[in-house]
Amino acid sequence: DQQVKQNSPSLSVQEGRISILNCDYTNSMFDYFLWYKKYPAEGPTFLISISSIKDKNEDGRFTVFLNKSAKHLSLHIVPSQPGDSAVYFCAATDSWGKLQFGAGTQVVVTP
Amino acid sequence: DTEVTQTPKHLVMGMTNKKSLKCEQHMGHRAMYWYKQKAKKPPELMFVYSYEKLSINESVPSRFSPECPNSSLLNLHLHALQPEDSALYLCASSRRGGRASDEQFFGPGTRLTVL
Repeated sequence: DQQVKQNSPSLSVQEGRISILNCDYTNSMFDYFLWYKKYPAEGPTFLISISSIKDKNEDGRFTVFLNKSAKHLSLHIVPSQPGDSAVYFCAATDSWGKLQFGAGTQVVVTP
Repeated sequence: DTEVTQTPKHLVMGMTNKKSLKCEQHMGHRAMYWYKQKAKKPPELMFVYSYEKLSINESVPSRFSPECPNSSLLNLHLHALQPEDSALYLCASSRRGGRASDEQFFGPGTRLTVL
Protein backbone atom coordinates (compact mmCIF):
# COMPACT_ATOMS: atom_id res chain seq x y z
CA ASP A 1 0.00 0.00 0.00
CA GLN A 2 1.54 3.27 -1.17
CA GLN A 3 1.64 5.63 1.80
CA VAL A 4 3.29 8.47 -0.10
CA LYS A 5 1.62 9.52 -3.32
CA GLN A 6 2.70 11.78 -6.13
CA ASN A 7 -0.26 11.89 -8.47
CA SER A 8 1.41 13.83 -11.28
CA PRO A 9 3.84 11.61 -13.15
CA SER A 10 5.13 14.54 -15.19
CA LEU A 11 5.33 18.33 -15.21
CA SER A 12 6.46 20.63 -18.00
CA VAL A 13 7.38 24.21 -17.12
CA GLN A 14 8.99 27.08 -18.93
CA GLU A 15 12.40 28.30 -17.87
CA GLY A 16 12.09 31.14 -15.37
CA ARG A 17 8.61 30.15 -14.22
CA ILE A 18 7.61 28.40 -11.02
CA SER A 19 7.48 24.60 -10.75
CA ILE A 20 5.06 23.23 -8.16
CA LEU A 21 5.26 19.57 -7.26
CA ASN A 22 2.67 17.98 -5.02
CA CYS A 23 2.75 15.05 -2.63
CA ASP A 24 0.13 13.46 -0.37
CA TYR A 25 0.62 10.96 2.43
CA THR A 26 -1.66 8.72 4.41
CA ASN A 27 0.36 7.72 7.48
CA SER A 28 -0.11 10.21 10.33
CA MET A 29 2.99 8.75 12.05
CA PHE A 30 5.28 10.33 9.45
CA ASP A 31 7.15 13.17 11.09
CA TYR A 32 9.81 14.17 8.58
CA PHE A 33 9.47 14.82 4.88
CA LEU A 34 12.11 15.07 2.21
CA TRP A 35 12.45 15.79 -1.47
CA TYR A 36 15.03 14.00 -3.57
CA LYS A 37 16.06 14.75 -7.13
CA LYS A 38 17.22 12.02 -9.48
CA TYR A 39 18.98 12.24 -12.83
CA PRO A 40 19.14 9.17 -15.09
CA ALA A 41 21.92 6.73 -14.18
CA GLU A 42 22.50 8.44 -10.83
CA GLY A 43 21.24 7.82 -7.32
CA PRO A 44 18.72 10.18 -5.70
CA THR A 45 20.21 13.41 -4.34
CA PHE A 46 18.78 15.06 -1.23
CA LEU A 47 17.22 18.44 -2.01
CA ILE A 48 15.30 19.81 0.96
CA SER A 49 13.43 18.55 4.00
CA ILE A 50 10.86 19.67 6.53
CA SER A 51 9.99 18.53 10.01
CA SER A 52 6.35 17.97 10.91
CA ILE A 53 6.53 20.79 13.45
CA LYS A 54 7.07 23.34 10.67
CA ASP A 55 4.92 24.42 7.77
CA LYS A 56 7.57 25.93 5.53
CA ASN A 57 11.26 25.51 4.80
CA GLU A 58 13.20 27.50 2.25
CA ASP A 59 16.61 26.93 0.70
CA GLY A 60 17.54 29.19 -2.18
CA ARG A 61 15.21 28.54 -5.11
CA PHE A 62 13.52 25.63 -3.32
CA THR A 63 10.69 25.94 -0.80
CA VAL A 64 8.77 23.08 0.76
CA PHE A 65 5.34 23.64 2.29
CA LEU A 66 3.66 21.22 4.67
CA ASN A 67 -0.04 21.11 5.47
CA LYS A 68 -0.34 18.48 8.21
CA SER A 69 -4.11 18.63 8.51
CA ALA A 70 -4.45 17.88 4.79
CA LYS A 71 -1.49 15.43 4.83
CA HIS A 72 -0.09 17.32 1.88
CA LEU A 73 3.23 18.83 0.99
CA SER A 74 4.50 20.69 -2.01
CA LEU A 75 7.83 21.71 -3.45
CA HIS A 76 8.17 25.07 -5.20
CA ILE A 77 11.10 25.77 -7.48
CA VAL A 78 11.45 29.35 -8.59
CA PRO A 79 12.80 30.33 -11.00
CA SER A 80 12.97 26.97 -12.82
CA GLN A 81 16.18 26.32 -14.71
CA PRO A 82 17.01 23.74 -17.43
CA GLY A 83 19.27 21.89 -14.96
CA ASP A 84 16.20 21.26 -12.80
CA SER A 85 14.92 18.74 -15.37
CA ALA A 86 14.94 15.48 -13.43
CA VAL A 87 12.67 13.10 -11.53
CA TYR A 88 11.64 14.45 -8.12
CA PHE A 89 10.74 12.04 -5.36
CA CYS A 90 8.79 12.98 -2.28
CA ALA A 91 9.70 10.85 0.75
CA ALA A 92 8.54 10.55 4.32
CA THR A 93 9.95 8.93 7.42
CA ASP A 94 8.58 7.78 10.73
CA SER A 95 10.48 8.27 13.98
CA TRP A 96 12.87 5.47 13.08
CA GLY A 97 13.99 7.10 9.87
CA LYS A 98 12.73 4.46 7.47
CA LEU A 99 12.22 6.27 4.15
CA GLN A 100 9.13 5.72 2.05
CA PHE A 101 9.17 7.23 -1.41
CA GLY A 102 6.43 8.46 -3.70
CA ALA A 103 6.34 7.33 -7.32
CA GLY A 104 8.16 10.42 -8.56
CA THR A 105 7.35 13.34 -10.87
CA GLN A 106 9.36 13.89 -14.05
CA VAL A 107 10.01 17.61 -14.44
CA VAL A 108 10.96 19.01 -17.83
CA VAL A 109 12.05 22.64 -17.97
CA THR A 110 11.74 24.07 -21.49
CA PRO A 111 13.59 27.13 -22.83
CA ASP B 1 34.37 12.98 0.86
CA THR B 2 30.58 13.06 0.61
CA GLU B 3 30.26 10.20 -1.81
CA VAL B 4 28.75 6.75 -1.71
CA THR B 5 30.35 4.52 -4.31
CA GLN B 6 28.91 1.34 -5.75
CA THR B 7 30.49 -1.35 -7.88
CA PRO B 8 29.91 -2.63 -10.44
CA LYS B 9 27.86 -0.05 -12.36
CA HIS B 10 26.27 -2.76 -14.47
CA LEU B 11 25.96 -6.50 -13.90
CA VAL B 12 24.47 -9.21 -16.08
CA MET B 13 24.12 -12.63 -14.50
CA GLY B 14 22.45 -15.95 -15.12
CA MET B 15 20.00 -17.52 -12.71
CA THR B 16 22.61 -20.01 -11.45
CA ASN B 17 25.38 -17.46 -10.88
CA LYS B 18 26.63 -16.09 -7.58
CA LYS B 19 27.68 -12.45 -7.59
CA SER B 20 28.11 -9.60 -5.13
CA LEU B 21 27.32 -5.90 -5.18
CA LYS B 22 29.59 -3.61 -3.22
CA CYS B 23 28.99 -0.26 -1.56
CA GLU B 24 31.47 1.98 0.22
CA GLN B 25 31.34 5.30 2.06
CA HIS B 26 33.99 7.25 3.95
CA MET B 27 31.78 9.82 5.63
CA GLY B 28 31.91 8.08 8.99
CA HIS B 29 28.25 7.12 8.65
CA ARG B 30 27.08 4.28 10.86
CA ALA B 31 23.88 3.35 9.04
CA MET B 32 23.82 1.82 5.57
CA TYR B 33 20.91 0.76 3.40
CA TRP B 34 20.06 -1.33 0.34
CA TYR B 35 17.16 -0.28 -1.89
CA LYS B 36 15.73 -1.86 -5.03
CA GLN B 37 14.26 0.32 -7.75
CA LYS B 38 12.29 -1.09 -10.69
CA ALA B 39 11.70 1.01 -13.80
CA LYS B 40 9.32 3.93 -13.25
CA LYS B 41 8.84 2.96 -9.60
CA PRO B 42 10.17 4.51 -6.38
CA PRO B 43 13.09 2.97 -4.49
CA GLU B 44 11.97 0.26 -2.06
CA LEU B 45 13.88 -0.46 1.12
CA MET B 46 15.43 -3.92 1.39
CA PHE B 47 17.86 -3.88 4.34
CA VAL B 48 19.17 -1.48 6.95
CA TYR B 49 22.41 -1.91 8.86
CA SER B 50 22.98 0.24 11.92
CA TYR B 51 26.39 0.07 13.63
CA GLU B 52 27.23 -2.97 11.50
CA LYS B 53 24.18 -4.88 12.74
CA LEU B 54 21.22 -5.79 10.55
CA SER B 55 18.31 -3.84 11.99
CA ILE B 56 15.69 -4.03 9.25
CA ASN B 57 14.99 -6.76 6.73
CA GLU B 58 11.93 -5.93 4.68
CA SER B 59 11.00 -9.57 4.10
CA VAL B 60 13.48 -9.88 1.28
CA PRO B 61 13.92 -13.39 -0.24
CA SER B 62 16.95 -15.30 1.01
CA ARG B 63 18.52 -15.27 -2.45
CA PHE B 64 19.60 -11.74 -1.40
CA SER B 65 22.11 -11.85 1.45
CA PRO B 66 23.52 -8.61 2.89
CA GLU B 67 26.83 -8.34 4.67
CA CYS B 68 28.42 -5.42 6.52
CA PRO B 69 32.10 -6.28 7.06
CA ASN B 70 32.85 -2.90 8.67
CA SER B 71 31.32 0.52 9.10
CA SER B 72 32.43 1.69 5.63
CA LEU B 73 31.43 -1.30 3.54
CA LEU B 74 28.16 -2.95 2.65
CA ASN B 75 27.82 -5.93 0.34
CA LEU B 76 24.82 -7.63 -1.20
CA HIS B 77 25.42 -11.25 -2.16
CA LEU B 78 23.23 -12.60 -4.93
CA HIS B 79 22.51 -16.26 -5.61
CA ALA B 80 19.90 -18.04 -7.74
CA LEU B 81 18.18 -14.82 -8.76
CA GLN B 82 15.13 -14.66 -10.97
CA PRO B 83 14.62 -12.44 -14.05
CA GLU B 84 12.12 -10.35 -12.05
CA ASP B 85 15.00 -9.37 -9.74
CA SER B 86 16.41 -7.25 -12.57
CA ALA B 87 16.43 -3.68 -11.23
CA LEU B 88 18.60 -0.79 -10.10
CA TYR B 89 20.08 -1.57 -6.68
CA LEU B 90 20.84 1.54 -4.67
CA CYS B 91 23.00 1.81 -1.59
CA ALA B 92 22.65 4.69 0.86
CA SER B 93 24.23 5.76 4.11
CA SER B 94 23.33 8.12 6.93
CA ARG B 95 25.02 9.36 10.08
CA ARG B 96 23.36 7.12 12.60
CA GLY B 97 20.06 5.77 11.37
CA GLY B 98 17.12 5.42 13.67
CA ARG B 99 16.20 9.10 13.43
CA ALA B 100 13.73 10.72 11.12
CA SER B 101 16.00 13.68 10.34
CA ASP B 102 19.00 11.51 9.41
CA GLU B 103 19.56 12.43 5.78
CA GLN B 104 20.43 9.53 3.51
CA PHE B 105 23.12 9.88 0.86
CA PHE B 106 22.68 7.60 -2.13
CA GLY B 107 25.17 5.94 -4.43
CA PRO B 108 24.68 5.85 -8.21
CA GLY B 109 23.35 2.30 -8.12
CA THR B 110 24.15 -0.99 -9.82
CA ARG B 111 21.99 -1.86 -12.82
CA LEU B 112 21.38 -5.60 -12.52
CA THR B 113 20.03 -7.78 -15.32
CA VAL B 114 19.20 -11.41 -14.61
CA LEU B 115 18.92 -13.61 -17.69
